[in-house]
Amino acid sequence: AQSVTQLDSQVPVFEEAPVELRCNYSSSVSVYLFWYVQYPNQGLQLLLKYLSGSTLVESINGFEAEFNKSQTSFHLRKPSVHISDTAEYFCAVSSVTGNQFYFGTGTSLTVIP
Amino acid sequence: NAGVTQTPKFRILKIGQSMTLQCTQDMNHNYMYWYRQDPGMGLKLIYYSVGAGITDKGEVPNGYNVSRSTTEDFPLRLELAAPSQTSVYFCASSAPGQDGGYGYTFGSGTRLTVV
Repeated sequence: AQSVTQLDSQVPVFEEAPVELRCNYSSSVSVYLFWYVQYPNQGLQLLLKYLSGSTLVESINGFEAEFNKSQTSFHLRKPSVHISDTAEYFCAVSSVTGNQFYFGTGTSLTVIP
Repeated sequence: NAGVTQTPKFRILKIGQSMTLQCTQDMNHNYMYWYRQDPGMGLKLIYYSVGAGITDKGEVPNGYNVSRSTTEDFPLRLELAAPSQTSVYFCASSAPGQDGGYGYTFGSGTRLTVV
């Protein structure tokens, strides 16, 4: 099985500052990696994913994440955050042959005006 | 295209009551899942199904039951509600190879309180 650790439960950051949300995973097999975002009182939405190829993946709203196999990490970054980025962010992992996701406990990002 | 639809959005139950959380998807996905989300605990898998007539337990199945008579529907049943089942419940679906991987589509959730 796989597991995911999100080291930071809450991350406050000022508007237009950079942010990094950390995610580490554990797995004995090859994996797919995902970041999901959950806005208040809503379901989870896929933000970005790594399946194969380039280790740097980007979302349409300026977030990026880099798959680092040696460090078993998939940290999420954004160079300049907006108020609208305030949300809960979940890292998730699945094996390339499996059909179950394993989620981290989430990181609450709060952007301060 | 509605995606994954969950009903009801909110519900308050008394201890010992029963209820069914409904989930339906219109994307013809084979795989469907039920998760519960508790503060600081992330999402925990309750049950999942890989196709009509096939279900299996996840991490936290106790106190719940599911059925999958059609591809579209995957209801979650609570037989004897307990305060420990107070949570937000999410249904999700996926298809093997979707977007090159098992990307999930989530419903908007059901917020359940047991008093």
